[in-house]
Amino acid sequence: EPEVTQTPSHQVTQMGQEVILRCVPISNHLYFYWYRQILGQKVEFLVSFYNNEISEKSEIFDDQFSVERPDGSNFTLKIRSTKLEDSAMYFCASRTGTGGAEQYFGPGTRLTVT
Amino acid sequence: AQTVTQSQPEMSVQEAETVTLSCTYDTSESDYYLFWYKQPPSRQMILVIRQEAYKQQNATENRFSVNFQKAAKSFSLKISDSQLGDAAMYFCAYRSPEGAQKLVFGQGTRLTINP
Repeated sequence: EPEVTQTPSHQVTQMGQEVILRCVPISNHLYFYWYRQILGQKVEFLVSFYNNEISEKSEIFDDQFSVERPDGSNFTLKIRSTKLEDSAMYFCASRTGTGGAEQYFGPGTRLTVT
Repeated sequence: AQTVTQSQPEMSVQEAETVTLSCTYDTSESDYYLFWYKQPPSRQMILVIRQEAYKQQNATENRFSVNFQKAAKSFSLKISDSQLGDAAMYFCAYRSPEGAQKLVFGQGTRLTINP
């Protein structure tokens, strides 16, 4: 069964460094999402991406964040200058273009900023 | 904006018993989707069950069923014959049928299964 994959599973970085989190959505999916979960808290929406552009973003998704679909398979989340409070689990999700279609989640990348 | 509230931070149940997790939400939309996700210690998000608001019939998936009360904006999850593998965080989520269709999650309920 097709699945969403994410790399790396765990990333440790120093404050101020840039990180890129990578996701490979399911191949026929058209909508892509990033969510964040700070340890012990709820999952929060960051951004959605469709037709090579951002379709919606949350207040969390400030100028330090960017997303890109550099080729036909990868979907990346870049944090330009990480802060301690960026430490969290980051989930990628994707779905088809059908209205009401499920969002399939990847296993997540745990980002630790020291 | 839509909000989702789970008022039970923690629940516990004896193995083989039944437990109900509560969820309420707030929306002005008439058509939407509701979900329960399970998050085990691995932190993978696993879809348990979904409900379309236009359907009056409550969704069921094996031992999992929901009680969807649209007028009360309530969406509870019932787990029957609880098993040790059901121990996890459970998140209720709302999704609009419009726009980007992002998921809005509740705070989660940690479910413990006592053997």
